[in-house]
Amino acid sequence: DAGVIQSPRHEVTEMGQEVTLRCKPISGHDYLFWYRQTMMRGLELLIYFNNNVPIDDSGMPEDRFSAKMPNASFSTLKIQPSEPRDSAVYFCASSSRGWDEKLFFGSGTQLSVL
Amino acid sequence: SQQGEEDPQALSIQEGENATMNCSYKTSINNLQWYRQNSGRGLVHLILIRSNEREKHSGRLRVTLDTSKKSSSLLITASRAADTASYFCATEANDYKLSFGAGTTVTVRA
Repeated sequence: DAGVIQSPRHEVTEMGQEVTLRCKPISGHDYLFWYRQTMMRGLELLIYFNNNVPIDDSGMPEDRFSAKMPNASFSTLKIQPSEPRDSAVYFCASSSRGWDEKLFFGSGTQLSVL
Repeated sequence: SQQGEEDPQALSIQEGENATMNCSYKTSINNLQWYRQNSGRGLVHLILIRSNEREKHSGRLRVTLDTSKKSSSLLITASRAADTASYFCATEANDYKLSFGAGTTVTVRA
């Protein structure tokens, strides 16, 4: 398996633009997580899915953020409109048994909002 | 919010030396995990230790867990240049979420 695949690797956009980050989890994994990493706040859980259903989105900072998982092999995280404070590295991770087992992380998307 | 806090924030050692870093947490946990992150990359899982375990080994890694002190330690023996990375502890508490600490940056000098 190729692991968790995220795209794009880097994204530079202007304030107010819509940004869509994409993730393909490892096949067979029922859990998918979106994390955000910044120097100031470290790694923060934004939202996680179990069997394509959002379970906890309490970490999503604002209504500008939304996430979907239309099927078991694809998820998106959308920011609309984007703001400079959204600049961070966004990671997608997946696991087969949720928190009780190790998470497999993608390489992340480095987002810069100018 | 960060449940685990790593100590020290940064560590510089000579190749071949051992590196020890600690993680303290605030509430009861179900398990504790250690991850490594190389610069510009995603996190890689190293070890998971459950609340009823006291010690686990994996290759040159040794993890201990003291639930009475709410702390864990990660020991890397005979360090190599390739061990240069940031190391994070992550705790699963009763809110069933995995919370990561701020990390320890380890630099192994040749």
